[in-house]
Amino acid sequence: DTGVSQNPRHKITKRGQNVTFRCDPISEHNRLYWYRQTLGQGPEFLTYFQNEAQLEKSRLLSDRFSAERPKGSFSTLEIQRTEQGDSAMYLCASSPGGAGNQPQHFGDGTRLSIL
Amino acid sequence: GQQVMQIPQYQHVQEGEDFTTYCNSSTTLSNIQWYKQRPGGHPVFLIQLVKSGEVKKQKRLTFQFGEAKKNSSLHITATQTTDVGTYFCAVAGGTSYGKLTFGQGTILTVHP
Repeated sequence: DTGVSQNPRHKITKRGQNVTFRCDPISEHNRLYWYRQTLGQGPEFLTYFQNEAQLEKSRLLSDRFSAERPKGSFSTLEIQRTEQGDSAMYLCASSPGGAGNQPQHFGDGTRLSIL
Repeated sequence: GQQVMQIPQYQHVQEGEDFTTYCNSSTTLSNIQWYKQRPGGHPVFLIQLVKSGEVKKQKRLTFQFGEAKKNSSLHITATQTTDVGTYFCAVAGGTSYGKLTFGQGTILTVHP
């Protein structure tokens, strides 16, 4: 059973550097979500794709963040000019399409640490 | 958007005791989902409730959705050490299908 795959698992970088994370969803899932989770908090929605179309971005997502899903399969999340406050776990989730709200399947996340 | 408040923030129990976490909203919810996150792990879907007054059971877990669809609860009977983790309620929807808004979570510790 191939679940949601994320890499890298950990990323340590200096403030001001750019980072890119990758998410490979479950193959038949056409919905893909990015969330951010900090210690002691629930995951916080960042953005959502239906196939290759990015349909919603959180207002919390600054211009330094960009996400793509060019062929409707894997997705990348890039953070430019990283800041200390970007340190968090970045979670990707996917779900099937169709009517209604479906269960979301989460990956293990990428933990970002900004030095 | 829809927001949910979850209580308690922490719960410490002895193995064998029961546990309940509550999720409350000031507005009517279209649905509610529950997830469990083990320490160091990722959220794992447990259940979705959509009907007023709905009650669903999974072995020792009982999930309820309030009659007014403004609150929900998760009850675990006779906790085991494998129940340790953070339990989140989440509301799906808004402008994006399935976009989840999570509660703050309840961290459950079970002492053997």
